[in-house]
Amino acid sequence: GEDVEQSLFLSVREGDSSVINCTYTDSSSTYLYWYKQEPGAGLQLLTYIFSNMDMKQDQRLTVLLNKKDKHLSLRIADTQTGDSAIYFCAETGGGGADGLTFGKGTHLIIQP
Amino acid sequence: DADVTQTPRNRITKTGKRIMLECSQTKGHDRMYWYRQDPGLGLRLIYYSFDVKDINKGEISDGYSVSRQAQAKFSLSLESAIPNQTALYFCATSDPNGGGEAETQYFGPGTRLLVL
Repeated sequence: GEDVEQSLFLSVREGDSSVINCTYTDSSSTYLYWYKQEPGAGLQLLTYIFSNMDMKQDQRLTVLLNKKDKHLSLRIADTQTGDSAIYFCAETGGGGADGLTFGKGTHLIIQP
Repeated sequence: DADVTQTPRNRITKTGKRIMLECSQTKGHDRMYWYRQDPGLGLRLIYYSFDVKDINKGEISDGYSVSRQAQAKFSLSLESAIPNQTALYFCATSDPNGGGEAETQYFGPGTRLLVL
């Protein structure tokens, strides 16, 4: 079955770049997503990438996709305390009709 | 106002009790989903619905049932709650599109359920 793997924790210093990695097994994934969950809140879509793209940049966020290795990463430049959250990688087939398959989430911890 | 709302936000119940979690959305989306989140396990899909007449089981539907009362409402029921159903439950909605863009799911704030 489908599987999405992420490391559980990442600790970075404020102002540094954070790189959160994700691997997935479903080669038919059409879209890959990054969601952010702040404490006590629901999930908020950060960004997504279409499977035929290698990179997508949106302000401080850069998504890199290596489809051959089924590896997705999220880079957050100039990490701030407000970036402290759990980041979920997720994948879906075409149309997202049967829901998303999520990784377990990476806790991003910001050190002052 | 939030586009996807869930009630209650927190609930404590006892083993064997029936409980219903409700979800409402004002986004006008046809598709709705129920997930549960457990520490260290991410989110897992319980049920999903394409429209009012369509209900589908997800990855972990055992012990749960759903009702799609209207396009805007999708409720999740635990007929006889058990302690391992203690979790954070999320409702989500999405809208199919043919424009080649990702079908984004929008999540509610979650319902924290504790089964004693």
